[in-house]
Amino acid sequence: AQRVTQPEKLLSVFKGAPVELKCNYSYSGSPELFWYVQYSRQRLQLLLRHISRESIKGFTADLNKGETSFHLKKPFAQEEDSAMYYCALSLMNRDDKIIFGKGTRLHILP
Amino acid sequence: NAGVTQTPKFQVLKTGQSMTLQCAQDMNHNSMYWYRQDPGMGLRLIYYSASEGTTDKGEVPNGYNVSRLNKREFSLRLESAAPSQTSVYFCASSERERPLHAPQYFGPGTRLTVL
Repeated sequence: AQRVTQPEKLLSVFKGAPVELKCNYSYSGSPELFWYVQYSRQRLQLLLRHISRESIKGFTADLNKGETSFHLKKPFAQEEDSAMYYCALSLMNRDDKIIFGKGTRLHILP
Repeated sequence: NAGVTQTPKFQVLKTGQSMTLQCAQDMNHNSMYWYRQDPGMGLRLIYYSASEGTTDKGEVPNGYNVSRLNKREFSLRLESAAPSQTSVYFCASSERERPLHAPQYFGPGTRLTVL
């Protein structure tokens, strides 16, 4: 069955420290993965997608097919990074559905 | 472009009342979705529409109905609201970038409370 697991509900990190938000997936096909972010009282927005291999707001994520992981990383946390982060897996079928993980709340401590 | 818009932003209902949540997108996307967001549960798909004229159930469809009125609009109806339907509801849309999958664009959400 297709599944996205984000093991941490809450992650607290000091400003300036490295951040790693974990995401593991289960999918028999070729995965397409995304990270979405939701800042306080704002709508969800796409942060990055693995296919782009880009860095957005200092965040990067590498798809590791062997470990079925897509962890989100940032070397130096900033206070404005505090938000809810969702890992998402695309089901590459005609319906274009996405499965979301349960989310990790990142809290940056001053 | 407004992107994805939702109305209303807030709503309080009594158990048994009905209401319709409206969603519209101006990006000419074929696919549209309704999710609910609950603490500790993440985002769960209620219904989706892969194209105008088609709708399909998602993970948690019970108690809801949808209408894909045209390519722009996708409404969600609660026929007889229950306290368990207290949640934040998000509408989203996307367009496949063949052969890849396009990301979904979300509306601002509707915060619904059922007393």
